[in-house]
Amino acid sequence: EPEVTQTPSHQVTQMGQEVILRCVPISNHLYFYWYRQILGQKVEFLVSFYNNEISEKSEIFDDQFSVERPDGSNFTLKIRSTKLEDSAMYFCASSVTSTLHEQYFGPGTRLTVT
Amino acid sequence: AQSVTQPDIHITVSEGASLELRCNYSYGATPYLFWYVQSPGQGLQLLLKYFSGDTLVQGIKGFEAEFKRSQSSFNLRKPSVHWSDAAEYFCAVGASDYKLSFGAGTTVTVRA
Repeated sequence: EPEVTQTPSHQVTQMGQEVILRCVPISNHLYFYWYRQILGQKVEFLVSFYNNEISEKSEIFDDQFSVERPDGSNFTLKIRSTKLEDSAMYFCASSVTSTLHEQYFGPGTRLTVT
Repeated sequence: AQSVTQPDIHITVSEGASLELRCNYSYGATPYLFWYVQSPGQGLQLLLKYFSGDTLVQGIKGFEAEFKRSQSSFNLRKPSVHWSDAAEYFCAVGASDYKLSFGAGTTVTVRA
């Protein structure tokens, strides 16, 4: 069964450093998403991406964040200058179309900012 | 704004007993509702979804959920719990065309 994959599974970085989290969505899916889950809190929407542009973003997704689909398979989340509060589990998801179809989630990347 | 509330933070249930997890939603129109499960160290797996039609929906792993518009609820049930059902369960609503809004989650512990 096709699945969303994410790398790395765990990333440790120092405050102020740039990080790139990578995702390979399911191949025939057209919509891509990033969510995050701070330890002990609910899963929060960050951004959705379709047709090479952001379709919706949350207030969390400020100028420090960016997303890109650099080729036909990868979908990346970049945090330009990490803060301690960026420590969280970051989930990538993809769907065939919009929310009318379910989003399939990857296993997550745990980001630890020290 | 569209949102879901999961009133129970933690539920402990004996193996073989029935399980019901509560979810209340806030949404003006007919919501798109989902239940996801997150096992320790794993991502989110979709258990079932409700878009329209039959208000009792069947999902994977023997789970079902019932949509009740009058109560703004979408409770998840399983008749007989297995130890492998120990996990965190999230209810979610399609909050726009693109994003899911999740509840805070309910952690299920299964005792032998």
